[in-house]
Amino acid sequence: EVQLLDSGGGLVQPGGSLRLSCAASGFTFSNYAMAWVRQAPGKGLEWVSAISDSGGRSTYYAESVKGRFTISRDNSRNTLYLQMNSLRDEDTAIYYCVKRDPHFDYWGQGTLVTVSS
Amino acid sequence: EIVMTQSPGTLSVSPGVRATLSCRASQSVRSNLAWYQQKPGQAPRLLIYGASTRATAFPARFSGSGSGTEFTLTISSLQSEDFAVYYCLQYNNWPLTFGQGTKVEIK
Repeated sequence: EVQLLDSGGGLVQPGGSLRLSCAASGFTFSNYAMAWVRQAPGKGLEWVSAISDSGGRSTYYAESVKGRFTISRDNSRNTLYLQMNSLRDEDTAIYYCVKRDPHFDYWGQGTLVTVSS
Repeated sequence: EIVMTQSPGTLSVSPGVRATLSCRASQSVRSNLAWYQQKPGQAPRLLIYGASTRATAFPARFSGSGSGTEFTLTISSLQSEDFAVYYCLQYNNWPLTFGQGTKVEIK
């Protein structure tokens, strides 16, 4: 059974940093591209970032986070990461880890990031 | 960026009735279109991919059609558990983009 366990969310001040993690199981993690999708309170879904399979040499970012967020993966730990720097109020959202095939076929339960002073 | 436009924003229907949801792309996404169902407090779940292939967790009353720029999600006879928000996603071009969602509510 595919499982994605998101963690690392919390309350952070504007300008601060946070690193999200996603522990994957139930599939061969290194064989699949992965991504992050977020959902602001009461709003729709927004794709944030994606990383290719295997070595993760290809990464992609939404314009809204480019230069501030970094996606990475550790295939030895079956874990996906999202390093978020220079956080803004508008980054407040539930962040979901998703498996790509190439659509998003499995989703984590989400981790809440709140940016507020 | 490809803009995905869903209509209507809210669909009020009675149980047992057929529901038709629309998703339009600002340029062709071929058949690289997925639909997701999201219930309050839950993560979205994959419903349809490749525009018309139904995910195994969902019953046959759900169907998807279309290609290029026009797509439709049909629920043939709405059940109580189908009341939710539905999103479309194009995964043909970067950035990947979602529609704004259609809320299906009980009439």
